[in-house]
Amino acid sequence: GAVVSQHPSRVICKSGTSVKIECRSLDFQATTMFWYRQFPKQSLMLMATSNEGSKATYEQGVEKDKFLINHASLTLSTLTVTSAHPEDSSFYICSAIDERTEAFFGQGTRLTVV
Amino acid sequence: AQSVTQLGSHVSVSEGALVLLRCNYSSSVPPYLFWYVQYPNQGLQLLLKYTTGATLVKGINGFEAEFKKSETSFHLTKPSAHMSDAAEYFCAVRNPSGGYNKLIFGAGTRLAVHP
Repeated sequence: GAVVSQHPSRVICKSGTSVKIECRSLDFQATTMFWYRQFPKQSLMLMATSNEGSKATYEQGVEKDKFLINHASLTLSTLTVTSAHPEDSSFYICSAIDERTEAFFGQGTRLTVV
Repeated sequence: AQSVTQLGSHVSVSEGALVLLRCNYSSSVPPYLFWYVQYPNQGLQLLLKYTTGATLVKGINGFEAEFKKSETSFHLTKPSAHMSDAAEYFCAVRNPSGGYNKLIFGAGTRLAVHP
């Protein structure tokens, strides 16, 4: 199957700083990428849908000014957590759709804000 | 609205025993159904999916699932568990006419395999 690479896999940052997470489709072009958040022992919650060259569509309750999403190319989407606080600590996962509209997931990023 | 219910947040089996992870869904239209596996600190990997056609679907790693419309179920099974099967399993559903932004996940079932 297609490969989606997410980086970094783990990051620890200080409260008030910003963190950028990258999601790349390595062997296919992804016009659409998705960002999920997963709390411990819970399921995935969709945060936003990212389309190449346009603004992301955020799910209800997700602060778009806090979670900045950029999808600058067909192979790269980034999620920036701005002014991070401890409550933003979580596991973030991206997924990307290929031309067959099959979704492939990145390996996730564990963010810890101290 | 669609929803997914996974019965049992934790399932424990012996190595070599049958694995049965339950998934029931609600949907106003015949849905597409998925099972994903997640290993610790990793993303999700597709095990199998049902869209149309044969209701018994075979996936990777020896897993299979059967779509039963009358029971609104899509249970995941494997005849003989391996230690490497220990992971979190998610059932998911989406409307065929909807995109993956409408993929709804169940709460997950953690499978433990003991010697």
